[in-house]
Amino acid sequence: DIQMTQSPSSLSASVGDRVTITCRASQSIGTYLNWYQQKPGKTPKLLIYAASSLQSGVPSRFSGGGSGPDFTLTISSLRPEDFATYYCQQSYSPPLTFGGGTKVDI
Amino acid sequence: QVQLVESGGGVVQPGRSLRLSCAASGFIFNMYPMHWVRQAPGKGLEWVAMISYDGVDKYYADSVRGRFTISRDDSKNTLVLQMNGLTSEDTALYYCARDHERYSGTYNFDYWGQGTLVTVSS
Repeated sequence: DIQMTQSPSSLSASVGDRVTITCRASQSIGTYLNWYQQKPGKTPKLLIYAASSLQSGVPSRFSGGGSGPDFTLTISSLRPEDFATYYCQQSYSPPLTFGGGTKVDI
Repeated sequence: QVQLVESGGGVVQPGRSLRLSCAASGFIFNMYPMHWVRQAPGKGLEWVAMISYDGVDKYYADSVRGRFTISRDDSKNTLVLQMNGLTSEDTALYYCARDHERYSGTYNFDYWGQGTLVTVSS
């Protein structure tokens, strides 16, 4: 199975900060990498698919990059509504796997 | 609008079975692969199973393979997860999720239900 490792597991930031979260796969997965945002008590929301494609309706301050085993999610200027937990997920092959999550708080 | 509504959760004793359902609406159900994803209390997301748009292909997480069975009833626009041999490790909120792309799928999830809670406890 492909293991997904996110770092950091948590971070503290301020409104307006540039934030970068990393995700590493245990093997090369091309660009089969997706990012989700989950707010407390809410369902996950797809932000980025295929490593760098912005899901419809997602603000352009979110961007994704990378390929092979190493990927990043960047929030260019953090807004109050962005405080949440972010998960990466590989869609290269089943069994599909998620990273452990990165909690972004103040 | 796309809606996914899960049901069937509850409290169940270890070793027993439970059947979850997900009622889909707002899209052409038989065009999309579908998934179950779970989240234990206070923990991260764990993909559980998926079924192809035509019901032919099914995949499972290692942790549930041989105990859980995913199926679909396209006449009722319903996704089902039959869970047998439940253990405390299966305690979680179970989400139904739609694949992002029709037919072949892209193995990611663009719409999620609100989830149904399964608690395995004696």
